[in-house]
Amino acid sequence: DIQMTQSPSSVSASVGDRVTITCRASQGINNWLAWYQQRSGKAPKLLIYAASSLQTGVPSRFSGSGSGTDFTLTISSLQPEDFATYFCQQANSFPLTFGGGTKVEIK
Amino acid sequence: EVHLLESGGDLVQPGGSLRLSCAASGFTFSTYAMSWVRQAPGKGLEWVSAVTGSGSNTYYADSVKGRFTISRDNSRNTLYLQMNSLRAEDTAIYYCAKYDYVGGNYRYDIADYWGQGTLVTVSS
Repeated sequence: DIQMTQSPSSVSASVGDRVTITCRASQGINNWLAWYQQRSGKAPKLLIYAASSLQTGVPSRFSGSGSGTDFTLTISSLQPEDFATYFCQQANSFPLTFGGGTKVEIK
Repeated sequence: EVHLLESGGDLVQPGGSLRLSCAASGFTFSTYAMSWVRQAPGKGLEWVSAVTGSGSNTYYADSVKGRFTISRDNSRNTLYLQMNSLRAEDTAIYYCAKYDYVGGNYRYDIADYWGQGTLVTVSS
């Protein structure tokens, strides 16, 4: 199975800050990676697919990059509604696997 | 508008069984692969199982293989998860999710719609 390791597990940031979250796969997954946002008590929401494609309706301050084993989610200017937990997920092979999550908290 | 509504969550004793349902609307259900993803209290997301549009191919996490069965009834636009031999560690909110279908391929990196989840508690 492919293991997905996210870092950091939590980050404290202020509105307007740039935030970067990384996700590392235990083996190459090409660009078969998605990023999801989960607000407290809500279902996950797709932000990025194919490592760098922005899902329809997602603000452009979110961006994704990477290929192979190392991936990054960047929020260019943190907004109040962005305080949430973020998960990466690989779709290269079954079983699909998620990273452990990164909680973005208010500083 | 796409809508996914899970049901069937309950309190069940260890060793017991439960069947979850996910009623879908707003899209051509039989075209799209579907999945179950769970989240234990205070924990991260765990993918559980997926099924292709026709139901002919199914996939499972190692943690549920042999105990859970995913299926779908395309005439009823409904996804199911039959859960047997339940354990305390199966306690979680269970979400159903729809995957996009692009260029003749199921896109398991595009879970574009999710239900609100149903809670399964396994406890004596």
